[in-house]
Amino acid sequence: DAGVIQSPRHEVTEMGQEVTLRCKPISGHDYLFWYRQTMMRGLELLIYFNNNVPIDDSGMPEDRFSAKMPNASFSTLKIQPSEPRDSAVYFCASSLVTGTDTQYFGPGTRLTVL
Amino acid sequence: AQTVTQSQPEMSVQEAETVTLSCTYDTSENNYYLFWYKQPPSRQMILVIRQEAYKQQNATENRFSVNFQKAAKSFSLKISDSQLGDTAMYFCAFMALSGGSNYKLTFGKGTLLTVNP
Repeated sequence: DAGVIQSPRHEVTEMGQEVTLRCKPISGHDYLFWYRQTMMRGLELLIYFNNNVPIDDSGMPEDRFSAKMPNASFSTLKIQPSEPRDSAVYFCASSLVTGTDTQYFGPGTRLTVL
Repeated sequence: AQTVTQSQPEMSVQEAETVTLSCTYDTSENNYYLFWYKQPPSRQMILVIRQEAYKQQNATENRFSVNFQKAAKSFSLKISDSQLGDTAMYFCAFMALSGGSNYKLTFGKGTLLTVNP
């Protein structure tokens, strides 16, 4: 299995620009999670989906952040407009049928907002 | 809300020796899972080991084992016969199985482990 795939691996953008991060979960996994990792706050859950439906988005920091999962094999995390404080590593993870199954992480996207 | 505390920001160990990383957590839940994840310089988050709270037996995975003390809310990771490839950031994580925190992983701040040759 290819594992969780994220793109791009690195993204550098200027403040005010729209940023879209992409994730392809492991085939057959019903849960998809988006995390953010910063030095100050560590790893935080932003949002998660079950069968393409958002279940809990309480970790999404502001309305500038939005996430979608149009089908079982693709999800996006969008930031519009981006700000320097959004600079972080963003991880996508997926797990099997029940949410208590192990979450497998993608390689992450390092976002730098100038 | 759950909290996870890793009190050792950095640790080092000599190759082939044993090291123990500490983790404590705070929760009012009775049903939960605990995890240790490893993040090497490549940045990839890799599951090391997991423990179900209802199991009294400590989990083991080859050179990795845990000491789970439910009453003390302690979950330490022991790495035996340390190898250079074990050099990484290690994160302790908690997942409640009930209430509003279902399936959410709450992470500690991490412990940077360096294995010296």
